[in-house]
Amino acid sequence: QQQVKQSPQSLIVQKGGISIINCAYENTAFDYFPWYQQFPGKGPALLIAIRPDVSEKKEGRFTISFNKSAKQFSLHIMDSQPGDSATYFCAAEISGSARQLTFGSGTQLTVLP
Amino acid sequence: GAGVSQTPSNKVTEKGKYVELRCDPISGHTALYWYRQSLGQGPEFLIYFQGTGAADDSGLPNDRFFAVRPEGSVSTLKIQRTERGDSAVYLCASSLKGFKTDTQYFGPGTRLTVL
Repeated sequence: QQQVKQSPQSLIVQKGGISIINCAYENTAFDYFPWYQQFPGKGPALLIAIRPDVSEKKEGRFTISFNKSAKQFSLHIMDSQPGDSATYFCAAEISGSARQLTFGSGTQLTVLP
Repeated sequence: GAGVSQTPSNKVTEKGKYVELRCDPISGHTALYWYRQSLGQGPEFLIYFQGTGAADDSGLPNDRFFAVRPEGSVSTLKIQRTERGDSAVYLCASSLKGFKTDTQYFGPGTRLTVL
């Protein structure tokens, strides 16, 4: 079964700190790894995504680190802000014509002021 | 509207009843997806439409679930003989052409509660 395992389940960080969320996958056919941010009552919104041909991608305060050999990837949020408080989901998409995203179980991030 | 819209936002029904959930994708988006999100979990893929046809329905849990997109725009997810285990938030997403590089934009979801 295709799976993406995400940790931690919840994370509390002080304002200005670094938030780190980790994901691991099993299926080597995955070739697209997006991260989604979800606020209560809203649908998930794409935050940043990476392909396995690069080891890191940075967009503003958000960075994805990717380790293909370990089949792991992580999201780093630098200078975390209270407005970043949300649930974060990693996801993976398999190569080929199928366009289904397989999501992790989510990390509830709380950034304290 | 500018985003994906879903109606109703909340639906409460009784076990055994039939429900329909509607999704209006972003105008011009040919690809449409349905996901189900249970409490405390990530979204789970149900079905993907490319135009009017279901390109991948491998995520539908059983034959009580069915989805249509007759004109290639609005989609309806239909659930027959609802069960308490069907209670979840049903999310719809759309993307421009369904290419792998296309972002999937999600709607706010319909929260279904089966009593």
